[in-house]
Amino acid sequence: GAVVSQHPSRVICKSGTSVKIECRSLDFQATTMFWYRQFPKQSLMLMATSNEGSKATYEQGVEKDKFLINHASLTLSTLTVTSAHPEDSSFYICSARLTDSYNEQFFGPGTRLTVL
Amino acid sequence: AQTVTQSQPEMSVQEAETVTLSCTYDTSESDYYLFWYKQPPSRQMILVIRQEAYKQQNATENRFSVNFQKAAKSFSLKISDSQLGDAAMYFCAYSPGAGSYQLTFGKGTKLSVIP
Repeated sequence: GAVVSQHPSRVICKSGTSVKIECRSLDFQATTMFWYRQFPKQSLMLMATSNEGSKATYEQGVEKDKFLINHASLTLSTLTVTSAHPEDSSFYICSARLTDSYNEQFFGPGTRLTVL
Repeated sequence: AQTVTQSQPEMSVQEAETVTLSCTYDTSESDYYLFWYKQPPSRQMILVIRQEAYKQQNATENRFSVNFQKAAKSFSLKISDSQLGDAAMYFCAYSPGAGSYQLTFGKGTKLSVIP
């Protein structure tokens, strides 16, 4: 149980276009989901916390107009990278919190974004 | 703000031997959770073990165990009978108690297993 999926797993886009990444909790409801960014050989950096039915909370230094997050249902959160540029190329990982799960987060497999 | 420090960027262990990965953290909270996550080359984050701060007993999951020293704010991971499949990045993570569910990660330790 507690499986989180992400789609797509890889995406290549042209500079200036927008890309949407989906994060789904497959077998549980997640009131809270998280979006991370991971650069090569580095740790996970929290970008934002996504709460179902409310606005996401962004970490300091993360542009909310650049990285749009929507958590429209208890099983789906989306991250849209708007007007992507090469410096946005990275590995994006989502996670979902299982209610009453000792704060444990279950992670999706990640999305590799390459902006040309 | 909470910080998590992993002072060993890389470690190696012989197959079947035991290795200990270090982690220290800084917090003013008394109630919190600690985790070790594994990230193999596939980059899928996998929970290895977790520890609730209010529990004095060290958590154990098969070959994985922790040494939780609350006063010293230390949370090391011991891997016994190391296997080739244990080779991965290991991240120590901290989460506050009730009301906040964010994870703060350390920089990670890359573990290599030598056949």
